[in-house]
Amino acid sequence: ILNVEQSPQSLHVQEGDSTNFTCSFPSSNFYALHWYRWETAKSPEALFVMTLNGDEKKKGRISATLNTKEGYSYLYIKGSQPEDSATYLCAVALIRQAGTALIFGKGTTLSVSS
Amino acid sequence: NAGVTQTPKFRVLKTGQSMTLLCAQDMNHEYMYWYRQDPGMGLRLIHYSVGEGTTAKGEVPDGYNVSRLKKQNFLLGLESAAPSQTSVYFCASRSTRVDTQYFGPGTRLTVL
Repeated sequence: ILNVEQSPQSLHVQEGDSTNFTCSFPSSNFYALHWYRWETAKSPEALFVMTLNGDEKKKGRISATLNTKEGYSYLYIKGSQPEDSATYLCAVALIRQAGTALIFGKGTTLSVSS
Repeated sequence: NAGVTQTPKFRVLKTGQSMTLLCAQDMNHEYMYWYRQDPGMGLRLIHYSVGEGTTAKGEVPDGYNVSRLKKQNFLLGLESAAPSQTSVYFCASRSTRVDTQYFGPGTRLTVL
């Protein structure tokens, strides 16, 4: 079974701090990597999908990079705000999985204090 | 567009009871998924479907059955609920062209 590892498990920062999280995955049979943002009592919302080695995506203050050769992705948040508090999930899709089911990491829970 | 909806939002069952969770999507998506989310475990795939009339097992299928009689609906059944099935259940769907999965709001199930 493929393991998708996320670190750290949780993180507490002050408003205005920049931060980053890591998602690690086995690089064989890789197809795509997803980042989701999951607020308490809501459903996960898609942030980014990346497929190519070297991909970089950006949405406002949040950006992500992908290294498929070494099997990792970074999610960066610049100038964290309290509304960024959420759990950030990484998920990997493999080639040859019918329906391209996602394998999720356990998430990094970010708490931003004002 | 309602997106992905789940019924019910909450449910408490006694051990041995049965129930069905309903997932509905109005985006004409081919693929649908059922996950369970437990503390410290992340989202784990129970069953999924790549089209109407087809289903397949995911990572943790034991104790669950599913059906996809209509394209827009994906049902998750528990024939004889056990306390180990206490969890939050999420349904998701996606199209064949875009990898992004869209999630429902979740169903919180407690089995006593």
